[in-house]
Amino acid sequence: AAGVIQSPRHLIKEKRETATLKCYPIPRHDTVYWYQQGPGQDPQFLISFYEKMQSDKGSIPDRFSAQQFSDYHSELNMSSLELGDSALYFCASSFLGGSTDTQYFGPGTRLTVL
Amino acid sequence: GNSVTQMEGPVTLSEEAFLTINCTYTATGYPSLFWYVQYPGEGLQLLLKATKADDKGSNKGFEATYRKETTSFHLEKGSVQVSDSAVYFCALGLISNFGNEKLTFGTGTRLTIIP
Repeated sequence: AAGVIQSPRHLIKEKRETATLKCYPIPRHDTVYWYQQGPGQDPQFLISFYEKMQSDKGSIPDRFSAQQFSDYHSELNMSSLELGDSALYFCASSFLGGSTDTQYFGPGTRLTVL
Repeated sequence: GNSVTQMEGPVTLSEEAFLTINCTYTATGYPSLFWYVQYPGEGLQLLLKATKADDKGSNKGFEATYRKETTSFHLEKGSVQVSDSAVYFCALGLISNFGNEKLTFGTGTRLTIIP
């Protein structure tokens, strides 16, 4: 079965640079979630989108922005990168119209800021 | 606020031992409860879930029962294998105003099974 696709899988950036992470949800899923997992930490919810509109917001820094496009893929844009942004960034998708709304996670993008 | 408290790790067991990883939660409303597993170098995989009180989630020999009276969702397995070595996350999900479910995770428990 198709899974959530994230790209790139690994990304290395310098401080103050920008980064764009992409997420392609499972076909027919209409909701996308972004999570950040720091080293040895639990995943923290950043933001979610339903039908291309922001549906919920968590601990996302103002330097980050995200959107969901007409094909339901989502991009997380990160500017003025800091060392503390080094983390594993997960995208998850779900189908809000289904009976369970279970979130399925992608493999993650590991961002390293030098 | 909503939170999940998990048994601290790391946990090391011998193969075929009985496993319990404790998880308790605090939530406003009626959350769904989940266990996710993260194998080394990989993403999160849903292991099992329960959506209401007294529900039992089960998968791959793992079980957890939603106990509203004790606000708990302990993970158990009768006989662990080396391949079960991973980090296990307990999580709760609550429906937001838009109708989607936001997850709150515990800190994770690293499990190592030795042959």
